[in-house]
Amino acid sequence: DIQMTQSPHSLSASLGETVSIECLASEGISNYLAWYQQKPGKSPQLLIYYTSSLQDGVPSRFSGSGSGTQYSLKISNMQPEDEGVYYCQQGYKYPLTFGSGTKLEIK
Amino acid sequence: EVQVVESGGGLVQPGGSMKLSCAALGFTFSNYYMAWVRQAPTEGLEWVASISTGGTTTYYRDSVRGRFTISRDNAKSTLYLQMDSLRSEDTATYYCARHYYDGSNYYALFAYWGQGTLVTVSS
Repeated sequence: DIQMTQSPHSLSASLGETVSIECLASEGISNYLAWYQQKPGKSPQLLIYYTSSLQDGVPSRFSGSGSGTQYSLKISNMQPEDEGVYYCQQGYKYPLTFGSGTKLEIK
Repeated sequence: EVQVVESGGGLVQPGGSMKLSCAALGFTFSNYYMAWVRQAPTEGLEWVASISTGGTTTYYRDSVRGRFTISRDNAKSTLYLQMDSLRSEDTATYYCARHYYDGSNYYALFAYWGQGTLVTVSS
């Protein structure tokens, strides 16, 4: 199975700040990497697919990058509604696997 | 509007069975791979199973293979998860999710999620 190592485990940021979350795959996943946001008591929402493609309706302050085994999510100009838990997920090979999540809070 | 709505969760004893359903609304169900993803209380996301558009190809995580069966009825636009020999570690909120299609390519990731249904395995 492909292991997805996500860091940091938690993060706090001030409004307007730029933050990054990293995801390391145990083997190459050819850019088949997605990012999700989950708010308390809610189902996850797709933010980015295929490493850097923004899902419809997602603000442009979210961006993704990476290749091979290393991927990252960047949130520019942090807003209050960006609080939540963020997960990466590889869609390259079954079984599909998620990172352990990063809890993002406002400082 | 695209919607997937799960039902069928509840309390079941260890070793018991339960069947989850997911009704698909607002899209052509038969055109999309579908999946079940679960989340144990206070834990992260864990993919459980996926099924192809026609239902002929299925994928499972190792810990549920042989105990869970994913299936679909395209005429009813409904996805199912039959869960047998349930264990305490299967306790989770189970989400129905639609795989992503961008008009050209299918991706093994999840564009739409239901609200989830809680399955509790306990005596």
